[in-house]
Amino acid sequence: GDSVTQMEGPVTLSEEAFLTINCTYTATGYPSLFWYVQYPGEGLQLLLKATKADDKGSNKGFEATYRKETTSFHLEKGSVQVSDSAVYFCALTNAGNMLTFGGGTRLMVKP
Amino acid sequence: DTAVSQTPKYLVTQMGNDKSIKCEQNLGHDTMYWYKQDSKKFLKIMFSYNNKELIINETVPNRFSPKSPDKAHLNLHINSLELGDSAVYFCASSQGQGIKNEQFFGPGTRLTVL
Repeated sequence: GDSVTQMEGPVTLSEEAFLTINCTYTATGYPSLFWYVQYPGEGLQLLLKATKADDKGSNKGFEATYRKETTSFHLEKGSVQVSDSAVYFCALTNAGNMLTFGGGTRLMVKP
Repeated sequence: DTAVSQTPKYLVTQMGNDKSIKCEQNLGHDTMYWYKQDSKKFLKIMFSYNNKELIINETVPNRFSPKSPDKAHLNLHINSLELGDSAVYFCASSQGQGIKNEQFFGPGTRLTVL
């Protein structure tokens, strides 16, 4: 079945550091790929998405590119802020629009 | 206006009890979902309903029974609660079932079984 693997956290960075959270997937066909963010005590919010190969999703300074050749969708941000501290989930949908999530990566940004 | 709402936000109960969690969306979506997030933050789909009909039922004990009285509501009833049911339960909705259709999540219900 489909699966998503992302780097384990926590990832601890200083403010203004560069962020990369790795995500790779296994799926049949042509899934859509997503990054969701969960701030402390809150539900999940869609951060960005890409629906076909080579698409780049971007939002709030975050970017991720759908790489079919490496089955990856790594999340990047050039300069993180304390307010970016949260848990980030990589996910995919395939037939039936069922979201399959990675295990989540906690990001902690220190001032 | 809250797009996807859940009640209650917190639920603490004893083993063996029966409880329900309610979900409502005001987005006009036709598809709703329940997800379970365990203590390690791992998220997994439980159920999906489209136009009040069950379309996805993952490997979930039959103590869990979803009910969709209309397209805007998807409630989750749990019988004979067990310690392992403790988790955060998220409701979500989308318009259609296509893989490009974004799912909107509710704030979650934290269930604690003692």
